[in-house]
Amino acid sequence: QVQLVESGGGVVQPGRSLTLSCAASGFTFSSYAMHWVRQAPGKGLEWVAVISHDGSKRYYADSVKGRFTISRDNSKNTLNVQMNSLRPEDTAVYYCARDGALLTYNYYMDVWGIGTAVTVSS
Amino acid sequence: EIVLTQSPATLSLSPGERATLSCRASQSVSRYLAWYQQKPGQAPRLLIYDAPNRATGIPARFSASGSGTDFTLTISSLEPEDFAVYYCQQRSNWPPTFGPGTKVDFK
Repeated sequence: QVQLVESGGGVVQPGRSLTLSCAASGFTFSSYAMHWVRQAPGKGLEWVAVISHDGSKRYYADSVKGRFTISRDNSKNTLNVQMNSLRPEDTAVYYCARDGALLTYNYYMDVWGIGTAVTVSS
Repeated sequence: EIVLTQSPATLSLSPGERATLSCRASQSVSRYLAWYQQKPGQAPRLLIYDAPNRATGIPARFSASGSGTDFTLTISSLEPEDFAVYYCQQRSNWPPTFGPGTKVDFK
């Protein structure tokens, strides 16, 4: 079945880096744009970044621009986000999610992973 | 950035009752609005996109209406599994933004 599984979360000190991964299965990964969306503890959802189906285009929320880098490996059906210069306000559950449109974007997320928790604390 | 406001923050109802949730945008988003359901400890689930289209597998008791700045999600008769938090999200303007959520809980 269609599935996304995130990994790589943990506790990290402010200013350090962390890379999250998302393994996709059950669909043609290379045909879909992919997103990262985060949710701070007890809070709502915040869109973080998107990458086009072929990896040629990437867009970021202002809150992470210049610090986070989204990437994908279509040969391995894997989505990544490298997070640098982490701040306490980056503490959240990070979800990878599939864009609902084929070969383009519609910025709706129709398949979500279970999430991986990141805590930024000294 | 478009700000979405949801009301009420909490809706206390019983199974079988009708739930009406509101989402208001700070400027027009045309019909480019989605609704998601999130249960505790779970990922969000897409219910409605480009209001009023139901996502795959979503029961007919979920319906949505609205355009411009005012939108409504209606659950015609609450099932026990419908008690959750509901978020609206717009894709009309970049960046995509979410509302703060409405929690539907047991009365």
